[in-house]
Amino acid sequence: GENVEQHPSTLSVQEGDSAVIKCTYSDSASNYFPWYKQELGKGPQLIIDIRSNVGEKKDQRIAVTLNKTAKHFSLHITETQPEDSAVYFCAANKGGNQFYFGTGTSLTVIP
Amino acid sequence: GAVVSQHPSWVICKSGTSVKIECRSLDFQATTMFWYRQFPKQSLMLMATSNEGSKATYEQGVEKDKFLINHASLTLSTLTVTSAHPEDSSFYICSARDRITSTDTQYFGPGTRLTVL
Repeated sequence: GENVEQHPSTLSVQEGDSAVIKCTYSDSASNYFPWYKQELGKGPQLIIDIRSNVGEKKDQRIAVTLNKTAKHFSLHITETQPEDSAVYFCAANKGGNQFYFGTGTSLTVIP
Repeated sequence: GAVVSQHPSWVICKSGTSVKIECRSLDFQATTMFWYRQFPKQSLMLMATSNEGSKATYEQGVEKDKFLINHASLTLSTLTVTSAHPEDSSFYICSARDRITSTDTQYFGPGTRLTVL
């Protein structure tokens, strides 16, 4: 099966700095990699995703990069703001119903 | 678009009673919905996959007689926790996939906090 590892588990950055969260996966058949943001007491919200035919995708301050050879993908948040504070989960999927989630990263943006 | 709602958002019940949680896709049709359980500061644990009009597929270790899932329409799935016990207290989250676009994306509901006394 697939194994997704996520690092770091906690991350604190000063407001305005960048934050990077990394995930690795084990199954080369995985081809879809979404990132979710979960605020306290709420469900995860999709913030960005990438498919295996693309190396990078950007949406304003958020970007995701994918290295298929190394089997890792990363979330980059630039110009962080206090409202970016949340738990972020990566996931991997190979086309079926099963999504394999990382263990989450608690991001704190210090004003 | 792609909004998933859950009801109730939180519920407190006595041990031994049953609780029903509803998951609705508000602006799209979902052939497949998923039910997750999340413990504090932990990742999402998939409990079962429900397909409209057919029986749910449960993950290993999840009791299907305890966690009853019904997916009667393309926009509604329900999870009933039967004979709830304090150890069932958790955050339950559903998600859905869009039937029309058939993308891989899962859209999550806001979650339901269940507390069993």
